[in-house]
Amino acid sequence: DTEVTQTPKHLVMGMTNKKSLKCEQHMGHRAMYWYKQKAKKPPELMFVYSYEKLSINESVPSRFSPECPNSSLLNLHLHALQPEDSALYLCASSQVAGDGGYTFGSGTRLTVV
Amino acid sequence: KQEVTQIPAALSVPEGENLVLNCSFTDSAIYNLQWFRQDPGKGLTSLLLIQSSQREQTSGRLNASLDKSSGRSTLYIAASQPGDSATYLCAVRLNDMRFGAGTRLTVKP
Repeated sequence: DTEVTQTPKHLVMGMTNKKSLKCEQHMGHRAMYWYKQKAKKPPELMFVYSYEKLSINESVPSRFSPECPNSSLLNLHLHALQPEDSALYLCASSQVAGDGGYTFGSGTRLTVV
Repeated sequence: KQEVTQIPAALSVPEGENLVLNCSFTDSAIYNLQWFRQDPGKGLTSLLLIQSSQREQTSGRLNASLDKSSGRSTLYIAASQPGDSATYLCAVRLNDMRFGAGTRLTVKP
């Protein structure tokens, strides 16, 4: 059982839809992350929340917007996505201190039609 | 900029073989290195975490080594089983975590 829970597991959305991905962790970690992974590629960092402060990968388009309601929750709001945004979206958490490992959720498979 | 390379990109072995997966990184200033397993379409499962001050970690049939000064890590899998078939990713952490492209392992019965 993973200690990082992502919902939904699968999502199909149209290009005009607005949807949200949810991530929750109960390990007391103060850093949470969103990654995007295309098939047969490594995960790419999108956003980092550390002590509720946001760091953004500047290559991520504005149609993706993260939200951190509290230290255990991290949402990713999606709006006006493109078919090329179809991917596996992974959430992870870690201790802020550098000696901590990352714990990943099981991912959300997103398809944009 | 940290670059992480994994060799080979794909590996197919018969059941029962011992095997080694390789990971190299360009900047030795890391906090730790982590090996993950990923099944198709699934999330990443952490296998082993090696701190920068450590040389190796073991869990069951898995053993990971770290030579920080040379920028190398290996993941040794003993007595491979078909259930070990997956993609194995290594990642190094400093300010963030950088991943290699992974090794796709197939263990044939």
